[in-house]
Amino acid sequence: AQKITQTQPGMFVQEKEAVTLDCTYDTSDQSYGLFWYKQPSSGEMIFLIYQGSYDEQNATEGRYSLNFQKARKSANLVISASQLGDSAMYFCALNQGGKLIFGQGTELSVKP
Amino acid sequence: NAGVTQTPKFQVLKTGQSMTLQCAQDMNHEYMSWYRQDPGMGLRLIHYSVGAGITDQGEVPNGYNVSRSTTEDFPLRLLSAAPSQTSVYFCASSSWTSRRTDTQYFGPGTRLTVL
Repeated sequence: AQKITQTQPGMFVQEKEAVTLDCTYDTSDQSYGLFWYKQPSSGEMIFLIYQGSYDEQNATEGRYSLNFQKARKSANLVISASQLGDSAMYFCALNQGGKLIFGQGTELSVKP
Repeated sequence: NAGVTQTPKFQVLKTGQSMTLQCAQDMNHEYMSWYRQDPGMGLRLIHYSVGAGITDQGEVPNGYNVSRSTTEDFPLRLLSAAPSQTSVYFCASSSWTSRRTDTQYFGPGTRLTVL
């Protein structure tokens, strides 16, 4: 069965430092997509970054980058230069034929 | 361009009542879906649709009905509300091109409490 694992329930990072949020996945499909979403305390789900299984380069979007290691089935999110507004829940998700399978999330707190 | 909209934002129901959560998108997306998020958990798929007239079940479909008569709208119906359906409900939409790699965009959510 496909699944997503986020092993860090909560993390702290100092403002302006980089942080890595872990995500491992399990799928037997060769073609899939991995997504990261941010959920601030206001509750909405904000799309951050996407990585396709056939993409040779790691995805980047501004301060977000995805450390994609296909052989290890990991897709870690790296946030550089953390800001106070980055404090939120972060969810990794695997796209299986349009159905998103979510991990349980990591709560990131950025300290001033 | 409003994206994905959901109404209402909040709703309180009594056990046994029925209601419809509304979802609309203006991006001409073929794919629409409903998820629920319980405290401390990620989202779980309830139902989805790949186009008008086509719907299918997700991981947790029991107690919910959907229909898709237009591309824009995808309402979720609770037939007889139960306290176990207390949750935050999210609607999402995406294009339906590569299926596994299309980004899904979420509405703001509906917070439902069943007493």
